Amino acid sequence: EIVLTQSPATLSLSPGERATLSCRASQSVSNYLAWYQQKPGQAPRLLIYDASKRPTGIPARFSGSGSGTDFTLTISSLEPEDFAVYYCQQRSDWPPFTFGQGTKLEIK
Amino acid sequence: EVQLVESGGGLVQPGGSLRLSCEASGFIFSTYAMNWVRRAPGKGLEWVSGISESGDSTYYEDSVKGRFTISRDNSKTRLFLQMNSLRAEDTAVYYCAKDNGRGVFDYWGQGTLVTVSS
Repeated sequence: EIVLTQSPATLSLSPGERATLSCRASQSVSNYLAWYQQKPGQAPRLLIYDASKRPTGIPARFSGSGSGTDFTLTISSLEPEDFAVYYCQQRSDWPPFTFGQGTKLEIK
Repeated sequence: EVQLVESGGGLVQPGGSLRLSCEASGFIFSTYAMNWVRRAPGKGLEWVSGISESGDSTYYEDSVKGRFTISRDNSKTRLFLQMNSLRAEDTAVYYCAKDNGRGVFDYWGQGTLVTVSS
């Protein structure tokens, strides 16, 4: 089973700042990595798939990069609605599909 | 507009059973794989089970194998999760998630809460 480790566990930033979230895989997942956002009481939302592709409707301030074992989600300028929990997920080797433990992005 | 609406959650005693349902609309249900993902209190997301477009292939996370059964009714655009021999550690919000065909979960329901407690 591929283990995904996200860092940091919590990130405290202010609106307008740049956020950088990391996800490291226990073995190569090529570019088969996605990022999801979840707010309290809401369903998760797909932000990025295949490491760097944005689905229709996702703002351009969200970007993803990386391949192999190291990946990054960048939010270029934080909006108030971006404060949430973010998860990475791999689809390279399944079952099972696996998620990281999450990074909580909180307002400083 | 894609909509996924889960139902069937509730309070159940350890060893009991529940059947979750997910009603899908806004897309051609029979042409997409579907999944169940859960989030336990204070924990992260965990994939539980998946099913192919036709229902011929099913997949499970190890801790639920032999206890949970995923199925679908394409004529009624519904996804199901039969959960037997429930344990306290199965307590979670269960989400159904549409698979875009490549293990990417592009749409999610709002979830249904399952609480296993005596």
